[in-house]
Amino acid sequence: NAGVTQTPKFRILKIGQSMTLQCAQDMNHNYMYWYRQDPGMGLKLIYYSVGAGITDKGEVPNGYNVSRSTTEDFPLRLELAAPSQTSVYFCASRAVGGANYGYTFGSGTRLTVV
Amino acid sequence: GQNIDQPTEMTATEGAIVQINCTYQTSGFNGLFWYQQHAGEAPTFLSYNVLDGLEEKGRFSSFLSRSKGYSYLLLKELQMKDSASYLCAVSPNQAGTALIFGKGTTLSVSS
Repeated sequence: NAGVTQTPKFRILKIGQSMTLQCAQDMNHNYMYWYRQDPGMGLKLIYYSVGAGITDKGEVPNGYNVSRSTTEDFPLRLELAAPSQTSVYFCASRAVGGANYGYTFGSGTRLTVV
Repeated sequence: GQNIDQPTEMTATEGAIVQINCTYQTSGFNGLFWYQQHAGEAPTFLSYNVLDGLEEKGRFSSFLSRSKGYSYLLLKELQMKDSASYLCAVSPNQAGTALIFGKGTTLSVSS
């Protein structure tokens, strides 16, 4: 099993550009999440999804959009990139009833906006 | 509000024991997690507590007191490879709801 796969691993964007961070999991997990991690600030929730066709905002959703058309994929879209979006982005998933195992994380996408 | 506090940094020497504390105030509680994160890598699961008491797993143990909103992660026989950030996270209610993370404690182990 590949687990949670994130692409790309690194990206440099110019201010105002757009991009999609890809996240795919092959564990048939219903729950998927996007977090961003800034130095010294911990993981902040951007968006999450409890199943295909269902998404909801987290703590820091502004400037981002998501979709969940399949159980496997949960892409994160950045429109009009800004320097404040420079961060490391982690996608994670969790199974229904899998509370005691927490998340499976992807390896992360390191994004720099210049 | 939701708040999770843990020390920013700790240092220790090889072979020692270190305790990393975490206090939380959340709207609900459905379990507390500890994750380890090495620099430049994703967090990896260490432990889960939902009932009061101590859970032991090899060199790592985790304790929970729900009445005090308090947990600690105990690392024994420290090794250089234990140098990492340790993240405390709380599930505020039923499974599926996102975890709330503390800012993490960076542990440096020296020889």
